[in-house]
Amino acid sequence: DTEVTQTPKHLVMGMTNKKSLKCEQHMGHRAMYWYKQKAKKPPELMFVYSYEKLSINESVPSRFSPECPNSSLLNLHLHALQPEDSALYLCASSQDDAGTYGYTFGSGTRLTVV
Amino acid sequence: AQKITQTQPGMFVQEKEAVTLDCTYDTSDPSYGLFWYKQPSSGEMIFLIYQGSYDQQNATEGRYSLNFQKARKSANLVISASQLGDSAMYFCAMREPEYGNKLVFGAGTILRVKS
Repeated sequence: DTEVTQTPKHLVMGMTNKKSLKCEQHMGHRAMYWYKQKAKKPPELMFVYSYEKLSINESVPSRFSPECPNSSLLNLHLHALQPEDSALYLCASSQDDAGTYGYTFGSGTRLTVV
Repeated sequence: AQKITQTQPGMFVQEKEAVTLDCTYDTSDPSYGLFWYKQPSSGEMIFLIYQGSYDQQNATEGRYSLNFQKARKSANLVISASQLGDSAMYFCAMREPEYGNKLVFGAGTILRVKS
């Protein structure tokens, strides 16, 4: 299995909703990442988990809450989002936290906040 | 300061011709890695090619090659024999150990292949 699987592929949520994005990989990778990508812009790093511990938080608002229950799974919990949080959310993984052997990305979750 | 610069917002190329997508970078770290990714409209980021800062030879992967000029800090992607399916956004990205090995992306270049 050489994939990063993200669910759901599309999500529409209200500003008072709570939802979660899920990311899964079975490649034995020990680092996992969340990126946010606005339309026609490059991805921007949000969080890095290394060996199941949060190692980088790029000053992301607390309405985004990451969780790494185990080495294969990464969640992003969403609460009280704003319309400007609408974006493509990409998950990635790498064999080590140095990205020595490259990064594998999922196909993303397209989030719309209404 | 911008770490990765892609100066071509959009490019057109005729099918079956070669095209070069430009990328320059800025780092003081002697150990770094450079990546090119393709992103079709579906959103998935597809890895194309990698060049390490200590690699002596330019990287090649099938129709993709990387023109790595270390002294000029450039890492241009060359796509040979363009196909209609190559139409997509292309991102150059750099990994810097100095900054926690974060992967930082350039602004991207939209490539359109014409038949």
